[in-house]
Amino acid sequence: SQKIEQNSEALNIQEGKTATLTCNYTNYSPAYLQWYRQDPGRGPVFLLLIRENEKEKRKERLKVTFDTTLKQSLFHITASQPADSATYLCAPAKGAGSYQLTFGKGTKLSVIP
Amino acid sequence: EPEVTQTPSHQVTQMGQEVILRCVPISNHLYFYWYRQILGQKVEFLVSFYNNEISEKSEIFDDQFSVERPDGSNFTLKIRSTKLEDSAMYFCASRGEGYEQFFGPGTRLTVL
Repeated sequence: SQKIEQNSEALNIQEGKTATLTCNYTNYSPAYLQWYRQDPGRGPVFLLLIRENEKEKRKERLKVTFDTTLKQSLFHITASQPADSATYLCAPAKGAGSYQLTFGKGTKLSVIP
Repeated sequence: EPEVTQTPSHQVTQMGQEVILRCVPISNHLYFYWYRQILGQKVEFLVSFYNNEISEKSEIFDDQFSVERPDGSNFTLKIRSTKLEDSAMYFCASRGEGYEQFFGPGTRLTVL
């Protein structure tokens, strides 16, 4: 069955450093992969989408990579700030013609001032 | 900026009762979704809806669940006979032409 693993449940980093979050998936080949941010008690908020034919995507301080050979996506936040503290969710698209999101458990990032 | 809204923000019900959770998707979106998140667990897909019919549903979405778009703006999730394990945060989401989904703030359902 399809499985999504995000590297750790919690990640603490110092303000100003780069946070790197990992998402690994098995038993399927997503056409694209999305990253969302979720704050406590709130709904997920879309951040970035990367397609299978793209190696890297950037948006301001965010960068996503997608390695379909390794079945892995890396999510980077550069120059991290305390306001970046949240849970980050990886969601590989299930497959062609399907738009439902299958989320990983998420990584809770804490940026320490 | 357009946003998805959900009501109520918190619903408390007795086991066996019916509940209806309401959502107003972004106005020009055509694809609608329900997800749930049990406390401390991951966000799980329930159902997707397009052109007035269900397009996909998960194993969680059994006969106790139904969805409806009763008018041009609302999208509802009904649970016919609630169970204790239905206690969760329920999120509505909508999508336009792109792939990204826009989530509402959620309804916290507590079944006693």
